[in-house]
Amino acid sequence: EVQLVESGGGLVQPGGSLRLSCAASGFTFSSYAMTWVRQAPGKGLEWVSAIIVYGATTYYADSVKGRFTISRDTSKSTVYLEMNSLRAEDTAVYFCANFLQWREYFQDWGQGTLVTVSS
Amino acid sequence: EIVMTQSLVTLSVSPGEGATLSCRASQSVSSDLAWYQQKPGQSPRLLIYDTSTRATGIPARFSGSGSAGTEFTLTIDSLQSEDFAVYYCQQYNKWPLTFGGGTKVEI
Repeated sequence: EVQLVESGGGLVQPGGSLRLSCAASGFTFSSYAMTWVRQAPGKGLEWVSAIIVYGATTYYADSVKGRFTISRDTSKSTVYLEMNSLRAEDTAVYFCANFLQWREYFQDWGQGTLVTVSS
Repeated sequence: EIVMTQSLVTLSVSPGEGATLSCRASQSVSSDLAWYQQKPGQSPRLLIYDTSTRATGIPARFSGSGSAGTEFTLTIDSLQSEDFAVYYCQQYNKWPLTFGGGTKVEI
């Protein structure tokens, strides 16, 4: 059974930093690309970032480019999202999901972790 | 970036009736279009990919279609109580990936 478990969310002040983790199991992690999607309270889904299989290629939404960094550790079957210079508008539930390269739709999702940016 | 527009924010339907949800892309996305269902407090669930292919375990009452790479439709035949949720479309033809704003199907 595929499991994606996010962690690392919490309350952070504007301008602060946070690192989210997504631990994966139940599939061959090294064969899948990974992505982060967020959802602000009461709002729709917003794609945030993705990292392709060997980590050499990463993609970001314009809204987070230059502030967020996605990475992966194949030995730990974990993907990370380093978030810096956080803003109030980054407040959201952050979901991770996996996908096959060239097939960028998301079959498996984690339960999400809430990030709140507030003073 | 490609903008995905779901013009209908809310759709009111009675159980047993059908529902048609639309999604428009600002430029052609070929057939690279997926649909998701999300219920309150839950993660999204993949329903349809490649415009019209049902994901694993999705009932046949869900179907997808598209036209000219920009107009897409999700059809739900005979809505069941568990189908009342928010539905999102997503294009994966070009980076950045983008979602539509969602359509809430309510009783």
